[in-house]
Amino acid sequence: QSALTQPASVSGSPGQSITISCTGTSSDVGGYNYVSWYQQHPGKAPKLMIYDVSNRPSGVSNRFSGSKSGNTASLTISGLQAEDEADYYCSSYTSSSSVFGTGTKVTVL
Amino acid sequence: QLQLQESGPGLVKPSETLSLTCTVSGGSISSSSYYWGWIRQPPGKGLEWIGSIYYSGSTYYNPSLKSRVTISVDTSKNQFSLKLSSVTAADTAVYYCARHFLRYDAFDIWGQGTMVTVSS
Repeated sequence: QSALTQPASVSGSPGQSITISCTGTSSDVGGYNYVSWYQQHPGKAPKLMIYDVSNRPSGVSNRFSGSKSGNTASLTISGLQAEDEADYYCSSYTSSSSVFGTGTKVTVL
Repeated sequence: QLQLQESGPGLVKPSETLSLTCTVSGGSISSSSYYWGWIRQPPGKGLEWIGSIYYSGSTYYNPSLKSRVTISVDTSKNQFSLKLSSVTAADTAVYYCARHFLRYDAFDIWGQGTMVTVSS
């Protein structure tokens, strides 16, 4: 199974909105509504931010939202804050497996 | 609240077997809603799912690692374990254990991770 494709980096100024894409195939992202997003700060474990394409776990800011169209899922961060600077990974279910994305480094300018 | 903690050797020789244990505290590993998974992250690289196990012992593995991986569970100790055989330098990584909410295929609670280096 191949990793899902994400842009290597995305940047934005405080207060702006940014969107991170996650492109797969009809066998993973496009075939199931089981896309999750994780935030990882340096030296820390990943944190679940979005599950089932667009659902937020309790305690996650509503500035984070998810969506999907075809084989591409997206994570949008609105009202960008300095604390949002981190690596972000998507993941998807695929025929009795889980596959992660390549990861995106978000920089707050 | 629920916590996970990885433990095991930080250094493994090439061709040997990497063994790690994840201890679950603050909750039962026998919960019917969850699997328990292993994920790794080579230095400076992305995440890779290794495999997951249910408290009954049912497992599923990453096809690319399946021939070398064994995940087991000990419900009496509230632990699950990873064995990865015939390791090489490419297996050097931070290894995380996590609760795998299978209904949504999401890893919702993670351990802090443990660094394993493969070197002679």
